[in-house]
Amino acid sequence: EPEVTQTPSHQVTQMGQEVILRCVPISNHLYFYWYRQILGQKVEFLVSFYNNEISEKSEIFDDQFSVERPDGSNFTLKIRSTKLEDSAMYFCASRHPSGYEQYFGPGTRLTVT
Amino acid sequence: GNSVTQMEGPVTLSEEAFLTINCTYTATGYPSLFWYVQYPGEGLQLLLKATKADDKGSNKGFEATYRKETTSFHLEKGSVQVSDSAVYFCALSVTTGNQFYFGTGTSLTVIP
Repeated sequence: EPEVTQTPSHQVTQMGQEVILRCVPISNHLYFYWYRQILGQKVEFLVSFYNNEISEKSEIFDDQFSVERPDGSNFTLKIRSTKLEDSAMYFCASRHPSGYEQYFGPGTRLTVT
Repeated sequence: GNSVTQMEGPVTLSEEAFLTINCTYTATGYPSLFWYVQYPGEGLQLLLKATKADDKGSNKGFEATYRKETTSFHLEKGSVQVSDSAVYFCALSVTTGNQFYFGTGTSLTVIP
């Protein structure tokens, strides 16, 4: 069964460094999302992406964040200058145009020290 | 606004016990409702969904009914197994394609 994959599974970085989290959505899906979950808190929406542009973003998704679909398969989330409070599990998701449900990847645990 | 409230965990049950995890929501529009499950070390997997009032979603012995009058979508299973141990998330989507709103998750441990 097709699935969303994410790399790396765990990323440790120092405050102020740039990180890129990578996702490979399911191949025939056209809608892509990033969410994050700070330990012990809710899963929070960051951004949605369709037709090579951002369709919706939350207040969390400020100028430090950016997303890109650099080729036909990858979907990336970049954090330009990481802060301690960016430490969280980041989930990528994708959706087929005909369905309601989003399919999630296993997540990348980001630790900022 | 849009939000989901789930019962606090963790929940510990004996094998073959009855499970209920409560979920209530508030929504500005007419939402679709979902339950996701996260097994240890894995991502969020769709467990079941319901897209209109009185719909019942079901999968793997789990059920949840979309109750508009009580704004609820409680998850139930008649007889849990050890393999059901996981974290369960209730979620809603108000507009197809837009963001999901998640509850905090409820951790379930089933003991033999």
